[in-house]
Amino acid sequence: AQSVAQPEDQVNVAEGNPLTVKCTYSVSGNPYLFWYVQYPNRGLQFLLKYITGDNLVKGSYGFEAEFNKSQTSFHLKKPSALVSDSALYFCAVRPPAGGTSYGKLTFGQGTILTVHP
Amino acid sequence: DTGVSQNPRHKITKRGQNVTFRCDPISEHNRLYWYRQTLGQGPEFLTYFQNEAQLEKSRLLSDRFSAERPKGSFSTLEIQRTEQGDSAMYLCASSPRSGRAGGEQYFGPGTRLTVT
Repeated sequence: AQSVAQPEDQVNVAEGNPLTVKCTYSVSGNPYLFWYVQYPNRGLQFLLKYITGDNLVKGSYGFEAEFNKSQTSFHLKKPSALVSDSALYFCAVRPPAGGTSYGKLTFGQGTILTVHP
Repeated sequence: DTGVSQNPRHKITKRGQNVTFRCDPISEHNRLYWYRQTLGQGPEFLTYFQNEAQLEKSRLLSDRFSAERPKGSFSTLEIQRTEQGDSAMYLCASSPRSGRAGGEQYFGPGTRLTVT
């Protein structure tokens, strides 16, 4: 069974400072990994994904994430945080094609990011 | 591309009543997914369709839940004999057919169900 852990319920950072939101995963085979962001009263918005290739993937709004296979991690990062980045962030994993749960995203419990002015 | 739409956005119902939600995916997306999200938790997978075929159902989807996607376009999720534990946000997502199977899912705004 696949699973995702986001060890921090909340992350607080000052505007202009770098931010990291942590994610670790467990899945059989090579994972497909995703980050989504959720603003109040809005649906989840896709930020970025890792399928294969370069371990550092870049996504929307200046976010990037680093895939580390040995540590089974996929941490979300941004070099300089903005107040508008404050939201709820979800990491998700999906098994590779061919398995019975091919279409299923498994999400972490979410991390609330607060960026202070 | 108008995005995934869901109706209604909010539903309040009394315990024991039946409710039905609708999801319209992004046009040309052949995969459609339903998730449930409760407060403070990440979304939990319920079921997914490829075209009109329902390919997987979660154990969370009890016999009171049924989902359909006639003609491979919009989908409905029906909950019969609602219980207070069904109160949650129901999210729909769609994704395009992707040869590499890495297509991200695009989510709608959700339907918030409150069972009183």
